[in-house]
Amino acid sequence: QLQLQQSGPGLVKPSETLSLTCTVSGGSFSSSPWYWGWIRQPPGRGLEWIGSISYTGNTYDNPSLRSRLIMSVDSSKNQFSLKLNSVTAADTAVYYCTRHYDFWSGYYPHGVGHHWGQGTLVAVSS
Amino acid sequence: QSVLTQPPSISAAPGQKVAISCSGSNSNIGNSYVTWYQQLPGTAPKLLIYENNKRPSEIPDRFSGSKSGTSATLVITGLQTADEAEYHCGVWDSSLRSEVFGGGTMLTVL
Repeated sequence: QLQLQQSGPGLVKPSETLSLTCTVSGGSFSSSPWYWGWIRQPPGRGLEWIGSISYTGNTYDNPSLRSRLIMSVDSSKNQFSLKLNSVTAADTAVYYCTRHYDFWSGYYPHGVGHHWGQGTLVAVSS
Repeated sequence: QSVLTQPPSISAAPGQKVAISCSGSNSNIGNSYVTWYQQLPGTAPKLLIYENNKRPSEIPDRFSGSKSGTSATLVITGLQTADEAEYHCGVWDSSLRSEVFGGGTMLTVL
């Protein structure tokens, strides 16, 4: 079955770049109608959608994070990645990768988390 | 401060029924589909309900969702201790151009 395996450092220094990768197995990566998303959860708080990317590189993102966010895909490796620049302590959170439908097209179910990775706790600290 | 409003916590006894509310506005719940997620302690969230009231095949029919106006409700019947979890609602907000979530509701099954 579909598995999303996250990788990346658990500690990032303030002002540096947070980088995470999600490797997909057990399902088709380079096909419609899938989008590959990122969601985070600060300690003791609710979920926050970061953004989503298709295998063609089309992106949707949270306007509040857009200026610091870079998302990319590597179809040859069935991977997608997140980079968040200029991090502060407020970016400390558990980060999740997800798979969901292209609901923006109007043809598929809504929701940004139909399948989830295991989560990665990223702490921003010097 | 979350865009959607959920009660922080709720509790009930095994076998009982609970309803978890999710309140929003015309720019989100009022014109889009609500999704619910279940997050067991120490684990990633899992899809529970999508498009207001549809269940993935592996989710038991004890879980149901509904929407009316700018609010949505998750109902769980026949509560089990295994249902102890945090429940999150989410929806696309057409004004913010972003998926938004509630703050989560912690369900305790006493």
